[in-house]
Amino acid sequence: DAKTTQPPSMDCAEGRAANLPCNHSTISGNEYVYWYRQIHSQGPQYIIHGLKNNETNEMASLIITEDRKSSTLILPHATLRDTAVYYCIVGGSASKLTFGTGTRLQVTL
Amino acid sequence: GAVVSQHPSRVICKSGTSVKIECRSLDFQATTMFWYRQFPKQSLMLMATSNEGSKATYEQGVEKDKFLINHASLTLSTLTVTSAHPEDSSFYICSAGSDRYQETQYFGPGTRLLVL
Repeated sequence: DAKTTQPPSMDCAEGRAANLPCNHSTISGNEYVYWYRQIHSQGPQYIIHGLKNNETNEMASLIITEDRKSSTLILPHATLRDTAVYYCIVGGSASKLTFGTGTRLQVTL
Repeated sequence: GAVVSQHPSRVICKSGTSVKIECRSLDFQATTMFWYRQFPKQSLMLMATSNEGSKATYEQGVEKDKFLINHASLTLSTLTVTSAHPEDSSFYICSAGSDRYQETQYFGPGTRLLVL
C-alpha cells in the first residue's frame, strides 16, 4: 500500500473550515484515498473516500489533485466535536488499511 | 453507513486467562473482517484479516496461536487472546467490509483489555 504523509497537528477555530492535507505521491492507479477519524478511546469513524474525482458528503469534502499525489479533507464548519485524529489512508477496494500517525486536529473556541 | 459492534467494550482479566472478543456486523453481511490493536499514543496496527469460512491471515509478528480468530458466520468474528499477559493489554478494534460496501470498511467501537 502507498504511504501517506500528514502534518502531526493542526488547530482550527470553531465555525471555520478545517483543511487537512495529505501527500500520497506513490499512490497507484487503482488505490483509493480514504479518510477516517478517531476520537479519543473510540474506534475509527469513516468520513469519506475517493478515487479520482472530488467527493462531498454530509460530513466533509475530499479534494484530490489531478495527479492524485495529494488530497485535502475539508470540514466546512468545524465544531468542538470534530476534535480528533484524522487518518488519510490509501489502499485498494476492500483491502487492509495501513494507518499512519495521522493529524491531530484541535478545534478551539 | 454500516454498524459494527464489539463486545465486551472493556474487560479486565488475570494473567494467564483467555479472553474472547466478539465483532458483529449489525446490518450487513461482512465477508471480510479485520482485527487491529492500538497501544496508548500509537496508531492502529493490523493484526489479521479473516474471511468467512476460511483461516485468518496474520500480519508478520502476530502469533496465530496466541490470537485465535474465528469468522464462522457473515456477521460474527471472534478474537480470543489466549493465556493473556500484561503486555497484551491494549485497545482491540475490528472492522468489517462487504460486497454491499465494496470500497469501505466500517469499524467497531473497540474493546479495551487490561491484563493484571
